[in-house]
Amino acid sequence: DVKVTQSSRYLVKRTGEKVFLECVQDMDHENMFWYRQDPGLGLRLIYFSYDVKMKEKGDIPEGYSVSREKKERFSLILESASTNQTSMYLCASSLGTSEDYEQYFGPGTRLTVT
Amino acid sequence: AQKVTQAQTEISVVEKEDVTLDCVYETRDTTYYLFWYKQPPSGELVFLIRRNSFDEQNEISGRYSWNFQKSTSSFNFTITASQVVDSAVYFCALSGYNFNKFYFGSGTKLNVKP
Repeated sequence: DVKVTQSSRYLVKRTGEKVFLECVQDMDHENMFWYRQDPGLGLRLIYFSYDVKMKEKGDIPEGYSVSREKKERFSLILESASTNQTSMYLCASSLGTSEDYEQYFGPGTRLTVT
Repeated sequence: AQKVTQAQTEISVVEKEDVTLDCVYETRDTTYYLFWYKQPPSGELVFLIRRNSFDEQNEISGRYSWNFQKSTSSFNFTITASQVVDSAVYFCALSGYNFNKFYFGSGTKLNVKP
């Protein structure tokens, strides 16, 4: 089974702090994704990566950056956390071929910025 | 533009009732993929089904069935004889030929009461 793990289930940070959310997948997937989930808005794509050191902006990249130094690990960085970044953050990975590219999700990190 | 609409925000049914979750999509791509995911209270999204735009055949898997109609741009999901364990948020998603971008609907929360 594909396993996607996220470093924390719950996180509380203060405004202005630098925040790192870590995601690791164990299936050698090419693609990795970061979403945020907010009530009534569904999942919105922040960034994705299709290869090591490659990244592309999603629909809401402002206030975030990412890092992918190794294939299995994709980090989301909040350079200076703000209260409007309080949300559930979901990481996903996919193989990315036409035969198999559904996304596999981690359990999520619920981030609260106070 | 790619868009997925799940007009039903929340549905409540009594156990053993049948329930249909609606999904309407918009895309200009001729090749695209549609997905359903389940998000139980634990938070992790679970993949349920993928359907490509060339395959309009309905699918049944146990108590779950999916009705894909290109003419109405809909991909509806029916649960027959619902059970309490079906209580979750269900997301419909769309992906174009570019495998990297998924567009999620806002989700439908299903409450199944005993």
